[in-house]
Amino acid sequence: GNSVTQMEGPVTLSEEAFLTINCTYTATGYPSLFWYVQYPGEGLQLLLKATKADDKGSNKGFEATYRKETTSFHLEKGSVQVSDSAVYFCALDSNYQLIWGAGTKLIIKP
Amino acid sequence: DVKVTQSSRYLVKRTGEKVFLECVQDMDHENMFWYRQDPGLGLRLIYFSYDVKMKEKGDIPEGYSVSREKKERFSLILESASTNQTSMYLCASSEDPGQETQYFGPGTRLLVL
Repeated sequence: GNSVTQMEGPVTLSEEAFLTINCTYTATGYPSLFWYVQYPGEGLQLLLKATKADDKGSNKGFEATYRKETTSFHLEKGSVQVSDSAVYFCALDSNYQLIWGAGTKLIIKP
Repeated sequence: DVKVTQSSRYLVKRTGEKVFLECVQDMDHENMFWYRQDPGLGLRLIYFSYDVKMKEKGDIPEGYSVSREKKERFSLILESASTNQTSMYLCASSEDPGQETQYFGPGTRLLVL
């Protein structure tokens, strides 16, 4: 069946460091791919999405490219801030439901 | 802005109690979802609903039931709470079930003693 695998956390970085959170997926067809973020004490919110191969989603300085050949949708940011500390979830659209990764906790130290 | 509200942020219940978790959305969305979130497991779908009075089982429906009597309200019911139902419960809504964004409430952290 369809599935999403994310790198385990927590990921701890210093402010202004480069961020990559890996996400790979298994799916039939070409599902839409999503990154959601959950800030402390808040509900999840959509960070970015891509609906077809080679699409790049971007928002708030974060980017992810839908790579069909490697079945990946890695999240990147060039310079992280303390305010980016949160849990990040990768997800794919499967039969009108979302299949979720386990989440990656990101901790940014000043 | 879409707003999804959940009736409680924190709940403490005893084993065997009947528990009601309420979720309300204000954007006239057709679709509503209940998930539970556990460390290392991500989000797991319990039930979802595509329309009033309609419900579909998700991946882990055992021990839960739902009710959708009005479009804006989707309730999750734990018929007889057990300690393994201690978790964070998240409600979400969306305009379309597939590629559209899901909007989440802040979550209810339930502790069953």
